[in-house]
Amino acid sequence: DAGITQSPRHKVTETGTPVTLRCHQTENHRYMYWYRQDPGHGLRLIHYSYGVKDTDKGEVSDGYSVSRSKTEDFLLTLESATSSQTSVYFCAISESASGRKDTQYFGPGTRLTVL
Amino acid sequence: DAKTTQPPSMDCAEGRAANLPCNHSTISGNEYVYWYRQIHSQGPQYIIHGLKNNETNEMASLIITEDRKSSTLILPHATLRDTAVYYCIVRATGGGNKLTFGTGTQLKVEL
Repeated sequence: DAGITQSPRHKVTETGTPVTLRCHQTENHRYMYWYRQDPGHGLRLIHYSYGVKDTDKGEVSDGYSVSRSKTEDFLLTLESATSSQTSVYFCAISESASGRKDTQYFGPGTRLTVL
Repeated sequence: DAKTTQPPSMDCAEGRAANLPCNHSTISGNEYVYWYRQIHSQGPQYIIHGLKNNETNEMASLIITEDRKSSTLILPHATLRDTAVYYCIVRATGGGNKLTFGTGTQLKVEL
């Protein structure tokens, strides 16, 4: 399995509080992604990174920001959590964005509940 | 990315081959077929992918029809641990690189 860890694995927070989720990889892959998974919607891309300090928006980026100061870490921040952001969050990594090395490998997920 | 159609559920006896079909009739020439699975409460797990030739790895085989409009994932000797939701995804490489997961096939492996 790809060396991907996510922390925390579970978190319960209150509406309006800031929350930061961390994804850490030991594979030295250039690309990192944040998805959320909700019933009836499948996985949806929030943000992705194509290198240190290089990030771009996905299809559901509103209310989320990301940062990548090191190759191995990709942080997802909810500046002011809302109940609609209750979800399971998955981080993924890939070596490349094209060719046979663009396969994405996923972390174990973080279950976030916003009360 | 092309849309895919999979049966919502399938059953398989342990030790037998599990054959999971996927239709992707609008696939383009530069789009690959990917298979992932998700065991309950875990992250999606990559299984295999291919463009037009059949592929095999330690987990499974992927059979793509000559016209590329459908494919079959084969788990040669299914075990209880293969019970999961299996997703067939068709997409081109590059660009935003997002994976679009549909509803998949719930495979239940039974004794």
